[in-house]
Amino acid sequence: ETGVTQSPTHLIKTRGQQVTLRCSSQSGHNTVSWYQQALGQGPQFIFQYYREEENGRGNFPPRFSGLQFPNYSSELNVNALELDDSALYLCASSPDTSNTDTQYFGPGTRLTVL
Amino acid sequence: RKEVEQDPGPFNVPEGATVAFNCTYSNSASQSFFWYRQDCRKEPKLLMSVYSSGNEDGRFTAQLNRASQYISLLIRDSKLSDSATYLCVVNGRGGSYIPTFGRGTSLIVHP
Repeated sequence: ETGVTQSPTHLIKTRGQQVTLRCSSQSGHNTVSWYQQALGQGPQFIFQYYREEENGRGNFPPRFSGLQFPNYSSELNVNALELDDSALYLCASSPDTSNTDTQYFGPGTRLTVL
Repeated sequence: RKEVEQDPGPFNVPEGATVAFNCTYSNSASQSFFWYRQDCRKEPKLLMSVYSSGNEDGRFTAQLNRASQYISLLIRDSKLSDSATYLCVVNGRGGSYIPTFGRGTSLIVHP
């Protein structure tokens, strides 16, 4: 177990709705990264939060937004859901930025958009 | 051309075989490289970092070829438990933190 938790584990939404996914980072980690993994693809980097500020963003539209809280937990918000947003959403925490070799993934939230 | 490309496989090999995967990347400014392993319906986990000098961890050997812009992973003496998807990750785009994952290569080790 990595100590990174995500909620909920599964979620079903309809097109146009909004969704909030949550991630609790491992103790001692101040950085959280979010990824989207479509079926049969590798994870795609959405953005990273370091000490409550966005620190790097992938090629995702503004309707994907996030927050990091003082306890370093994080939220991913997606507005105006589209069918293609159906995917596994992974968060990963790390003790510092740019540390791909020390990031630990949570189990993910599987989002289905109908 | 995709930033990071991998042959999706699957690679079907018998136990005890040696298997190798390659991963090519397009950005010559990429700074760091990794291999992750992902079991079915699980989260990815770091397998190993890839250093310029190459590195080995037991049955696993990773190498980087900057001139040809690819990284490789060699698995010797394959075990049934090695069956998984192997994801390569390339970091950096002009210094910013943008990790790019390949789509993964599926390995199936059979008895």
